Amino acid sequence: QVQLVQSGAEVKKPGASVKVSCKASGYTFTVYYMHWVRQAPGQGLEWMGRINPNSGGTNYAQKFQGRVTMTRDTSISTAYMELSSLRSDDTAVYYCALVAVVAANEVDYWGQGTLVTVSS
Amino acid sequence: QSVLTQPPSVSGTPGQRVTISCSGSNSNIGSNYVCWYQQLPGTAPKLLIYTSNKRPSGVPDRFSGSKSGTSASLAISGLRSEDEADYYCAAWDDSLSGVVFGGGTKLTVL
Repeated sequence: QVQLVQSGAEVKKPGASVKVSCKASGYTFTVYYMHWVRQAPGQGLEWMGRINPNSGGTNYAQKFQGRVTMTRDTSISTAYMELSSLRSDDTAVYYCALVAVVAANEVDYWGQGTLVTVSS
Repeated sequence: QSVLTQPPSVSGTPGQRVTISCSGSNSNIGSNYVCWYQQLPGTAPKLLIYTSNKRPSGVPDRFSGSKSGTSASLAISGLRSEDEADYYCAAWDDSLSGVVFGGGTKLTVL
């Protein structure tokens, strides 16, 4: 079965960077785009961007352009999301996900989420 | 401010039918599929509807989706207490070249 397992919670100081990993299993890693979505406490879902695990090509939401970098290591079926110049309002749960929004199928799986806390 | 507009909250009594609306534009709902998600507290979103009106296997037929023009809606019939959750619509936006979400709707079962 498809599983996306993310790295553990992080606490960072303002201005620092954080790198979250997402290990995929149960499917061919290079077939589906990997998306990253975040959710601030008590707030809604916010799409950050996606990576094509096959080519490494990325699409980032304009809001995060210049601050986010999405990469992947196909040898270990793992995707990464690095966010730099962290601010307090970056405190959120970060999810990696295969989302059904774009493809006309029901492939939709989410990681367990990684809480990133930005605090001085 | 979310690109897709949902009501912040809706409520209903057990057994009732409720609908949640999602309003967008030509660049998102008007030209692409809509998905609906249910999110229970402390958990990742769960797909309820894809391609605007299809249910993944395992999702009860009490949940249904529809789309017309630049709007979409999620209907929940035979409301149950376990349906109390946050619901989000989502679509691809051609202008933004990205996924856009609604702000979410909190469903309360009275």
